[in-house]
Amino acid sequence: SAVISQKPSRDICQRGTSLTIQCQVDSQVTMMFWYRQQPGQSLTLIATANQGSEATYESGFVIDKFPISRPNLTFSTLTVSNMSPEDSSIYLCSVDHGRTEAFFGQGTRLTVV
Amino acid sequence: GQQLNQSPQSMFIQEGEDVSMNCTSSSIFNTWLWYKQDPGEGPVLLIALYKAGELTSNGRLTAQFGITRKDSFLNISASIPSDVGIYFCVIGGTSYGKLTFGQGTILTVHP
Repeated sequence: SAVISQKPSRDICQRGTSLTIQCQVDSQVTMMFWYRQQPGQSLTLIATANQGSEATYESGFVIDKFPISRPNLTFSTLTVSNMSPEDSSIYLCSVDHGRTEAFFGQGTRLTVV
Repeated sequence: GQQLNQSPQSMFIQEGEDVSMNCTSSSIFNTWLWYKQDPGEGPVLLIALYKAGELTSNGRLTAQFGITRKDSFLNISASIPSDVGIYFCVIGGTSYGKLTFGQGTILTVHP
């Protein structure tokens, strides 16, 4: 299994500011993913973080709003830019360990005021 | 895009009761997964299904991959308080990490 650490675990931010969320994995993984879980909702895939190239975004998500870095095979960051209250969500990092399941971090609970 | 219909949305049961939840789709899929999310945590895989008709158990949990490949159900027998959480049916994409989640079933177990 993979152990995934996310930082911060929670934050309260002012609208208009940006927050960068970090995801660290205890082993090298090929694929890393970022999901959003809005209050009371299910998880929605934001993007695939590709090592050595730009992230691949899902429909409805754009790089200017959610820039992603993947400097190596164990680390990725997601930035939520120019935040508004609608960005208040749990943001989760996930890895595909090349096996039959995906592992998730504990999530970052973001509140924008 | 792909859409999953999961029901029920929520369940309130007494400890010891059995629980059943299901998921349907208009499209055919090759993999059905069931995840559980505890409060303040990320989802954790419970059961993975890879073949139509497959019936798989994990302790008190049993899940089946429908013959039509468009549906799946999850049963929990003899529920206990720690079963509380949100249960998601999930389908895989080109990568196991690229997942589509159902709406979730919120389970509450009264002692």
